[in-house]
Amino acid sequence: EVQLVQSGAEVKKPGESLKISCKGSGYSFTSYWIGWVRQMPGKGLEWMGIIYPGDSDTRYSPSFQGQVTISADKSISTAYLQWSSLKASDTAMYYCARQLKGRSPFDYWGQGTLVTVSS
Amino acid sequence: DIQMTQSPSTLSASVGDRVTITCRASQSISSWLAWYQQKPGKAPKLLIYKASSLESGVPSRFSGSGSGTEFTLTISSLQPDDFATYYCQQYNSYSRSFGQGTKVEIK
Repeated sequence: EVQLVQSGAEVKKPGESLKISCKGSGYSFTSYWIGWVRQMPGKGLEWMGIIYPGDSDTRYSPSFQGQVTISADKSISTAYLQWSSLKASDTAMYYCARQLKGRSPFDYWGQGTLVTVSS
Repeated sequence: DIQMTQSPSTLSASVGDRVTITCRASQSISSWLAWYQQKPGKAPKLLIYKASSLESGVPSRFSGSGSGTEFTLTISSLQPDDFATYYCQQYNSYSRSFGQGTKVEIK
């Protein structure tokens, strides 16, 4: 069974750093892209970027380039999304999802990680 | 960046109604479009890919059509489980944008 299991909810202060994770199982982790999607409270889905764990090829939305870092450790089938200095506006639910190489939709999603940034 | 625009933003309908949601792309995306359903507190679920292909396990009352810049998602007979928010997503380019969502509410 394909599963993407994300790390738990986080509460942080502005200026702090954070790294959340997404662990894949039940499939070949290095054969699919992993993407990250932001959903701010009461708002829609925003595509942030994707990484191909097989070779670490990474693409970012222009809106998120320089704001976050996407990485992966294929040895433990885990992708990451990290911030060096959080802002209150980073408060959101973050989802990871997988897609096949090439033109493909997200077919499996993680359960989401809620990040709350508040002083 | 390719912009995706959905209409309407909110739709009120009754069980048994035929429902249509429209998604427009700011430039041609061929048929590289997906539709997702999201319920409160849950992750999105893939319904339709490549504009009109039904994902395995999705009820046949859901259908998609269109190509180029105009696409539609149709629910032929709305069921209680279908009240949710629906998003389109283009995957023609590496920066894969979503529409703003359409909330289907009970009338």
